[in-house]
Amino acid sequence: DTGVSQNPRHKITKRGQNVTFRCDPISEHNRLYWYRQTLGQGPEFLTYFQNEAQLEKSRLLSDRFSAERPKGSFSTLEIQRTEQGDSAMYLCASSPRTGGDSYEQYFGPGTRLTVT
Amino acid sequence: GNSVTQMEGPVTLSEEAFLTINCTYTATGYPSLFWYVQYPGEGLQLLLKATKADDKGSNKGFEATYRKETTSFHLEKGSVQVSDSAVYFCALVSGGYNKLIFGAGTRLAVHP
Repeated sequence: DTGVSQNPRHKITKRGQNVTFRCDPISEHNRLYWYRQTLGQGPEFLTYFQNEAQLEKSRLLSDRFSAERPKGSFSTLEIQRTEQGDSAMYLCASSPRTGGDSYEQYFGPGTRLTVT
Repeated sequence: GNSVTQMEGPVTLSEEAFLTINCTYTATGYPSLFWYVQYPGEGLQLLLKATKADDKGSNKGFEATYRKETTSFHLEKGSVQVSDSAVYFCALVSGGYNKLIFGAGTRLAVHP
């Protein structure tokens, strides 16, 4: 168990560019979450996958955002036409489906996005 | 909707002092409650949890009791160390897919 990994760890992009982040969850965790954390705030939920199905999306996830989890393994989060307000830390978490720890989410280190 | 409110920081303490970080919540029913910790330069880590009323979660000398009467889940530690310096987040599980709702976080700084 190597934990949840995210790449890249940092991304600086110019306004209007597209960016894509990747999350590799803990193997055999079928639940995957994306959160966004802005400076001085707690993480806010963006979207949830159970296996490859995207089952919930927050209103924060505008139509410029899209997330996928092909084959129920890794996940990608793409932001199109980035805006300065998208600057934040993007966190990924995974969770097992059943068992006593089924509520526990294991977080990756995050991808820090800076839009200039 | 469901929400979590934490005391504002930063909280600055001397080593071996007693720590309390207040957390109250608003929720439908009795959700599971969590404290997560974020050390400098690291990702969020689960510190402790409680899944039902009157449960006490504990880990690394930290404790929190699920109080449904006061809708609270205050974090306490009897004697803090410099290594406890971090940002602490209170959270609850919300909805059928167990997404987490976090408070704004409380920064703790412990000085020798």
